[in-house]
Amino acid sequence: ETGVTQSPTHLIKTRGQQVTLRCSSQSGHNTVSWYQQALGQGPQFIFQYYREEENGRGNFPPRFSGLQFPNYSSELNVNALELDDSALYLCASSLGLAGGPEETQYFGPGTRLLVL
Amino acid sequence: AQSVTQLDSQVPVFEEAPVELRCNYSSSVSVYLFWYVQYPNQGLQLLLKYLSGSTLVESINGFEAEFNKSQTSFHLRKPSVHISDTAEYFCAVRRAGAGSYQLTFGKGTKLSVIP
Repeated sequence: ETGVTQSPTHLIKTRGQQVTLRCSSQSGHNTVSWYQQALGQGPQFIFQYYREEENGRGNFPPRFSGLQFPNYSSELNVNALELDDSALYLCASSLGLAGGPEETQYFGPGTRLLVL
Repeated sequence: AQSVTQLDSQVPVFEEAPVELRCNYSSSVSVYLFWYVQYPNQGLQLLLKYLSGSTLVESINGFEAEFNKSQTSFHLRKPSVHISDTAEYFCAVRRAGAGSYQLTFGKGTKLSVIP
Protein backbone atom coordinates (compact mmCIF):
# COMPACT_ATOMS: atom_id res chain seq x y z
CA GLU A 1 0.00 0.00 0.00
CA THR A 2 1.56 3.30 -1.08
CA GLY A 3 1.27 6.44 0.97
CA VAL A 4 0.28 9.94 -0.09
CA THR A 5 2.70 11.45 -2.59
CA GLN A 6 3.01 15.02 -3.81
CA SER A 7 4.82 16.68 -6.67
CA PRO A 8 6.89 18.66 -7.13
CA THR A 9 8.75 18.81 -3.84
CA HIS A 10 9.90 22.39 -4.37
CA LEU A 11 8.84 25.13 -6.73
CA ILE A 12 9.84 28.74 -7.35
CA LYS A 13 7.47 31.11 -9.14
CA THR A 14 7.19 34.84 -9.64
CA ARG A 15 4.32 37.05 -8.59
CA GLY A 16 1.39 36.91 -11.00
CA GLN A 17 2.19 33.46 -12.36
CA GLN A 18 0.02 30.37 -12.03
CA VAL A 19 0.98 27.08 -10.37
CA THR A 20 -0.37 23.53 -10.28
CA LEU A 21 0.47 21.16 -7.46
CA ARG A 22 -0.31 17.46 -7.59
CA CYS A 23 -1.27 14.82 -5.06
CA SER A 24 -1.72 11.07 -5.30
CA SER A 25 -3.94 9.65 -2.59
CA GLN A 26 -3.20 6.62 -0.52
CA SER A 27 -4.58 3.50 -2.17
CA GLY A 28 -8.34 3.21 -1.75
CA HIS A 29 -8.82 6.73 -0.37
CA ASN A 30 -11.56 8.79 -2.04
CA THR A 31 -11.28 12.03 -0.08
CA VAL A 32 -8.52 14.58 -0.48
CA SER A 33 -7.94 17.75 1.51
CA TRP A 34 -5.45 20.53 0.83
CA TYR A 35 -3.81 22.67 3.47
CA GLN A 36 -1.49 25.70 3.36
CA GLN A 37 1.22 25.92 6.01
CA ALA A 38 2.93 29.29 6.11
CA LEU A 39 6.29 29.56 7.82
CA GLY A 40 5.90 29.33 11.59
CA GLN A 41 2.18 28.59 11.40
CA GLY A 42 -0.07 25.58 11.61
CA PRO A 43 -1.68 24.21 8.46
CA GLN A 44 -4.82 26.00 7.26
CA PHE A 45 -7.59 24.19 5.43
CA ILE A 46 -8.03 25.23 1.80
CA PHE A 47 -10.65 22.77 0.53
CA GLN A 48 -11.64 19.15 0.36
CA TYR A 49 -12.78 16.87 -2.47
CA TYR A 50 -14.90 13.76 -2.12
CA ARG A 51 -15.48 11.64 -5.21
CA GLU A 52 -14.52 14.48 -7.55
CA GLU A 53 -16.80 17.07 -5.92
CA GLU A 54 -15.74 19.93 -3.65
CA ASN A 55 -16.97 19.08 -0.16
CA GLY A 56 -15.96 22.06 1.95
CA ARG A 57 -13.81 25.14 1.57
CA GLY A 58 -11.82 27.26 3.96
CA ASN A 59 -11.26 31.00 3.91
CA PHE A 60 -9.27 31.17 0.67
CA PRO A 61 -10.03 33.32 -2.39
CA PRO A 62 -11.37 31.84 -5.66
CA ARG A 63 -7.93 31.99 -7.28
CA PHE A 64 -7.28 28.83 -5.26
CA SER A 65 -9.04 26.03 -7.12
CA GLY A 66 -8.84 22.29 -7.28
CA LEU A 67 -9.69 19.14 -9.11
CA GLN A 68 -10.07 15.52 -8.18
CA PHE A 69 -9.79 12.86 -10.87
CA PRO A 70 -11.56 9.49 -11.21
CA ASN A 71 -8.51 7.76 -9.73
CA TYR A 72 -8.88 10.14 -6.74
CA SER A 73 -5.62 11.96 -7.40
CA SER A 74 -5.93 15.70 -7.06
CA GLU A 75 -4.57 19.04 -8.20
CA LEU A 76 -4.37 22.39 -6.48
CA ASN A 77 -4.21 25.38 -8.81
CA VAL A 78 -3.32 28.86 -7.70
CA ASN A 79 -3.71 31.77 -10.12
CA ALA A 80 -2.21 35.25 -9.92
CA LEU A 81 0.37 34.24 -7.33
CA GLU A 82 1.10 36.66 -4.51
CA LEU A 83 4.14 36.83 -2.26
CA ASP A 84 2.02 35.62 0.68
CA ASP A 85 1.27 32.40 -1.18
CA SER A 86 4.77 31.23 -0.30
CA ALA A 87 4.18 28.23 1.94
CA LEU A 88 4.26 24.46 2.30
CA TYR A 89 1.20 22.97 0.65
CA LEU A 90 0.04 19.72 2.18
CA CYS A 91 -2.31 17.17 0.77
CA ALA A 92 -4.14 14.67 2.98
CA SER A 93 -6.21 11.68 1.96
CA SER A 94 -8.71 9.56 3.82
CA LEU A 95 -11.42 7.01 3.25
CA GLY A 96 -13.92 9.80 3.75
CA LEU A 97 -17.56 8.96 4.23
CA ALA A 98 -17.04 5.33 3.27
CA GLY A 99 -14.79 4.88 6.25
CA GLY A 100 -17.02 6.57 8.78
CA PRO A 101 -16.70 9.90 10.53
CA GLU A 102 -13.67 8.88 12.54
CA GLU A 103 -11.52 8.29 9.48
CA THR A 104 -7.96 9.44 9.84
CA GLN A 105 -6.33 11.81 7.36
CA TYR A 106 -2.91 10.80 6.07
CA PHE A 107 -0.64 13.61 4.96
CA GLY A 108 1.85 13.76 2.14
CA PRO A 109 5.32 15.33 2.48
CA GLY A 110 4.16 18.60 0.93
CA THR A 111 5.24 20.94 -1.84
CA ARG A 112 7.23 23.97 -0.80
CA LEU A 113 6.29 26.96 -2.96
CA LEU A 114 8.33 30.14 -3.03
CA VAL A 115 6.88 33.18 -4.77
CA LEU A 116 9.36 35.92 -5.67
CA ALA B 1 -16.23 27.22 14.16
CA GLN B 2 -13.40 25.72 16.12
CA SER B 3 -10.08 27.17 17.27
CA VAL B 4 -6.95 25.74 18.85
CA THR B 5 -4.41 27.41 21.09
CA GLN B 6 -1.02 25.91 21.73
CA LEU B 7 0.33 27.89 24.62
CA ASP B 8 4.04 27.29 24.06
CA SER B 9 5.75 27.96 20.74
CA GLN B 10 9.01 26.35 21.87
CA VAL B 11 9.77 23.82 24.61
CA PRO B 12 13.37 22.82 25.34
CA VAL B 13 13.81 19.78 27.56
CA PHE B 14 16.72 17.57 28.56
CA GLU B 15 16.88 14.00 27.32
CA GLU B 16 15.07 11.52 29.60
CA ALA B 17 13.13 14.33 31.30
CA PRO B 18 9.32 14.47 31.17
CA VAL B 19 7.52 16.92 28.91
CA GLU B 20 4.03 18.36 28.55
CA LEU B 21 2.87 20.22 25.44
CA ARG B 22 -0.29 22.19 26.11
CA CYS B 23 -3.32 22.46 23.87
CA ASN B 24 -6.62 24.19 24.49
CA TYR B 25 -9.51 24.32 22.07
CA SER B 26 -12.74 26.21 21.59
CA SER B 27 -15.85 24.81 19.94
CA SER B 28 -19.61 25.10 20.23
CA VAL B 29 -20.07 21.50 19.02
CA SER B 30 -18.57 18.14 19.87
CA VAL B 31 -15.11 17.63 18.42
CA TYR B 32 -12.50 15.01 17.74
CA LEU B 33 -8.98 15.88 18.88
CA PHE B 34 -5.64 15.03 17.31
CA TRP B 35 -1.93 15.46 17.81
CA TYR B 36 0.29 15.44 14.72
CA VAL B 37 4.09 15.50 14.61
CA GLN B 38 6.18 17.12 11.90
CA TYR B 39 9.86 16.29 11.56
CA PRO B 40 12.09 18.76 9.69
CA ASN B 41 11.28 19.01 6.00
CA GLN B 42 8.56 16.41 6.24
CA GLY B 43 4.76 16.27 6.23
CA LEU B 44 2.52 15.60 9.20
CA GLN B 45 2.24 12.24 10.92
CA LEU B 46 -0.65 11.34 13.19
CA LEU B 47 0.58 10.75 16.73
CA LEU B 48 -2.69 10.03 18.52
CA LYS B 49 -6.37 10.91 18.48
CA TYR B 50 -9.37 11.17 20.77
CA LEU B 51 -12.74 10.33 19.28
CA SER B 52 -14.80 9.06 22.21
CA GLY B 53 -14.62 6.74 25.20
CA SER B 54 -11.62 6.73 27.50
CA THR B 55 -10.26 10.24 27.91
CA LEU B 56 -6.66 9.02 28.04
CA VAL B 57 -5.19 8.02 24.69
CA GLU B 58 -1.74 6.66 24.01
CA SER B 59 0.62 6.42 21.05
CA ILE B 60 2.95 3.55 20.24
CA ASN B 61 6.06 5.62 21.01
CA GLY B 62 5.24 6.55 24.60
CA PHE B 63 3.23 9.76 24.20
CA GLU B 64 -0.16 10.13 25.82
CA ALA B 65 -2.83 12.81 25.88
CA GLU B 66 -5.83 13.34 28.08
CA PHE B 67 -9.08 14.91 26.95
CA ASN B 68 -10.47 17.26 29.58
CA LYS B 69 -13.86 18.52 28.50
CA SER B 70 -14.39 20.90 31.41
CA GLN B 71 -11.07 22.62 30.75
CA THR B 72 -11.33 22.17 26.97
CA SER B 73 -7.80 20.83 26.91
CA PHE B 74 -5.92 18.00 25.25
CA HIS B 75 -2.37 18.20 26.60
CA LEU B 76 0.33 15.87 25.27
CA ARG B 77 2.74 14.23 27.69
CA LYS B 78 5.71 11.91 27.65
CA PRO B 79 7.41 10.71 30.84
CA SER B 80 10.90 10.45 29.30
CA VAL B 81 11.88 12.08 26.01
CA HIS B 82 14.51 10.96 23.52
CA ILE B 83 16.62 12.93 21.09
CA SER B 84 14.50 11.49 18.29
CA ASP B 85 11.42 13.26 19.70
CA THR B 86 12.81 16.60 18.52
CA ALA B 87 10.14 17.86 16.13
CA GLU B 88 7.20 20.24 15.86
CA TYR B 89 3.92 19.08 17.36
CA PHE B 90 0.52 20.28 16.22
CA CYS B 91 -2.76 19.93 18.05
CA ALA B 92 -5.86 19.83 15.84
CA VAL B 93 -9.61 19.57 16.18
CA ARG B 94 -12.36 18.46 13.85
CA ARG B 95 -16.10 18.66 14.19
CA ALA B 96 -17.41 15.28 15.34
CA GLY B 97 -19.65 13.24 13.06
CA ALA B 98 -19.96 12.77 9.31
CA GLY B 99 -19.50 15.47 6.71
CA SER B 100 -16.52 17.78 6.33
CA TYR B 101 -13.21 16.46 7.53
CA GLN B 102 -11.68 19.91 7.94
CA LEU B 103 -8.97 19.96 10.57
CA THR B 104 -8.28 23.16 12.48
CA PHE B 105 -4.69 23.30 13.71
CA GLY B 106 -2.87 25.24 16.38
CA LYS B 107 0.31 27.12 15.54
CA GLY B 108 2.51 24.30 16.75
CA THR B 109 5.04 23.70 19.52
CA LYS B 110 8.67 23.04 18.69
CA LEU B 111 10.08 20.44 21.04
CA SER B 112 13.87 20.48 21.33
CA VAL B 113 15.44 17.63 23.26
CA ILE B 114 18.84 18.54 24.68
CA PRO B 115 21.42 15.77 25.11
